[in-house]
Amino acid sequence: AQTVTQSQPEMSVQEAETVTLSCTYDTSESDYYLFWYKQPPSRQMILVIRQEAYKQQNATENRFSVNFQKAAKSFSLKISDSQLGDAAMYFCAYKPNFGNEKLTFGTGTRLTIIP
Amino acid sequence: DAGVIQSPRHEVTEMGQEVTLRCKPISGHNSLFWYRQTMMRGLELLIYFNNNVPIDDSGMPEDRFSAKMPNASFSTLKIQPSEPRDSAVYFCASTGTGIQETQYFGPGTRLLVL
Repeated sequence: AQTVTQSQPEMSVQEAETVTLSCTYDTSESDYYLFWYKQPPSRQMILVIRQEAYKQQNATENRFSVNFQKAAKSFSLKISDSQLGDAAMYFCAYKPNFGNEKLTFGTGTRLTIIP
Repeated sequence: DAGVIQSPRHEVTEMGQEVTLRCKPISGHNSLFWYRQTMMRGLELLIYFNNNVPIDDSGMPEDRFSAKMPNASFSTLKIQPSEPRDSAVYFCASTGTGIQETQYFGPGTRLLVL
């Protein structure tokens, strides 16, 4: 069974600085998708970024980028120039490309932005 | 484009009452997911549908929970009778076919059972 591990329950960063959130996963599949979702206090689950496992290039969305290390089964999220609005819970998630469409979520990392 | 729509956004009810949560997926999406989020258990997948057919309901906690998807644009999650331990935020999400493979979530329904 696939598992997703986020080993940092809480992180904090100074506004305008850079922070990296860690995520590791375990799977026997070779083709899959990885996601980072953000959940602000409003509770809305918002997609931040996605990565296809077959792509070697790391995904980037504005200030958000990932470091995808397939061999190490690692998928970290880097937030540059942190802003107050980035404060939220961040969830890492995994989905195999074929078969069951279930997302497997990590337990989340609560990110605090220090003004 | 309208995102996933859920109603009600908040529900307060008394133990033993029936609760019905509603979801309208994104138009054109063919898979729909119901999740429950609590502090103790995090995000749990309850059930998901593909082309209106339930594919995996292994996460449904017990017989008090039921879900239906009568057509491609509507789904319900019903709890009867409700219990205080059902208090949680319930999310609906949908996804389409093709390269996106991304689940888009609704705003959630915050349920409190007294």
